Amino acid sequence: SQQGEEDPQALSIQEGENATMNCSYKTSINNLQWYRQNSGRGLVHLILIRSNEREKHSGRLRVTLDTSKKSSSLLITASRAADTASYFCATGQGAQKLVFGQGTRLTINP
Amino acid sequence: DGGITQSPKYLFRKEGQNVTLSCEQNLNHDAMYWYRQDPGQGLRLIYYSQIVNDFQKGDIAEGYSVSREKKESFPLTVTSAQKNPTAFYLCASSIVVGEGYTFGSGTRLTVV
Repeated sequence: SQQGEEDPQALSIQEGENATMNCSYKTSINNLQWYRQNSGRGLVHLILIRSNEREKHSGRLRVTLDTSKKSSSLLITASRAADTASYFCATGQGAQKLVFGQGTRLTINP
Repeated sequence: DGGITQSPKYLFRKEGQNVTLSCEQNLNHDAMYWYRQDPGQGLRLIYYSQIVNDFQKGDIAEGYSVSREKKESFPLTVTSAQKNPTAFYLCASSIVVGEGYTFGSGTRLTVV
């Protein structure tokens, strides 16, 4: 069962620009998480935001959560070539397994 | 360094064979998971285990089996009943179910 849906499916920007990816979900959640996956590799956990939080920062990452709209966004500022990857949102519903979206493929052009 | 080790990295299976994918973690995590990823797709949950000697089916468990005899190990067997097993398999673990997963580097299984 797919819970999160990322938008856009693919994004291509120039190095140094900001990248914004969105995630929408259907049911109530306990937390929302973002992961990065480089091609052919495992996923890396980036950030977790809980349902009672609205915004969270980690280095060049900024995540927002709007539970009334059931949506989240991930902003990567001052993008670098190394940020090229697929980004997945995943929703947690209490002590339940995570449900992952289909991902956004981000390409940073030098 | 703590982490999750998946082996082998690449695996080839003949039709009708069972194969077992290894997943070992030294993070002292209670929960472990197996996901399947098809090209350009998201992750689909096969099985997960919250504690030793206990595991639950995920969304696509048919044709797969697991065991959890030790906290560190959660092997996945792809049986001959799985009709379309070619995919990228990812193992993960976490302290708490549903939060902050650590992933292995994956096993790419191909049926030949």
